[in-house]
Amino acid sequence: GDSVTQMEGPVTLSEEAFLTINCTYTATGYPSLFWYVQYPGEGLQLLLKATKADDKGSNKGFEATYRKETTSFHLEKGSVQVSDSAVYFCALSDWSGSGGGADGLTFGKGTHLIIQP
Amino acid sequence: GAGVSQSPRYKVAKRGQDVALRCDPISGHVSLFWYQQALGQGPEFLTYFQNEAQLDKSGLPSDRFFAERPEGSVSTLKIQRTQQEDSAVYLCASSLPSGSEQFFGPGTRLTVL
Repeated sequence: GDSVTQMEGPVTLSEEAFLTINCTYTATGYPSLFWYVQYPGEGLQLLLKATKADDKGSNKGFEATYRKETTSFHLEKGSVQVSDSAVYFCALSDWSGSGGGADGLTFGKGTHLIIQP
Repeated sequence: GAGVSQSPRYKVAKRGQDVALRCDPISGHVSLFWYQQALGQGPEFLTYFQNEAQLDKSGLPSDRFFAERPEGSVSTLKIQRTQQEDSAVYLCASSLPSGSEQFFGPGTRLTVL
């Protein structure tokens, strides 16, 4: 079955540091890849996505590139801020278009990011 | 409303009680998903609706879990004879046709004593 593995946290960084959160996946089809973020007290929000190999998703200074050869979708940001403190989830959608057609997301366990001033 | 809403936000149940969790998706969204998120874990897929049709219920953990969306809008997730292992946050998400971005509600935190 499909699965997502991401680095475990918490990850603690100082403000303006470079961020990388690793994410690798296994999938039977050709998935779309996502990063979701959950800020304290809020619901899950889509941060960025990529739907095919070599696509780069970007938003709010965060980037991730869909690497089919290494089955990875690592999240990066050049200079983090205190406001980036949140839990980050890597996820995939592997809709084959067959059977029930469900494209429910498969999530990693989440990485808690703490940015200190 | 502007986003997906869920009610109640918090629910405490005694073991063996039945509970019903409600999801109001974004108006016009065809697809609706339910997920279960245990403490410290990522959300896990439970079931999926396209309009009123439940197209995938492969993630429901047992026959005590039942979901419906009779008019293709509001959905209810029902858990019968709750057990302690059912304690989790239950998330609802909606989207336009398959493959579109899923928008998540705030979740219902269920605690079974």
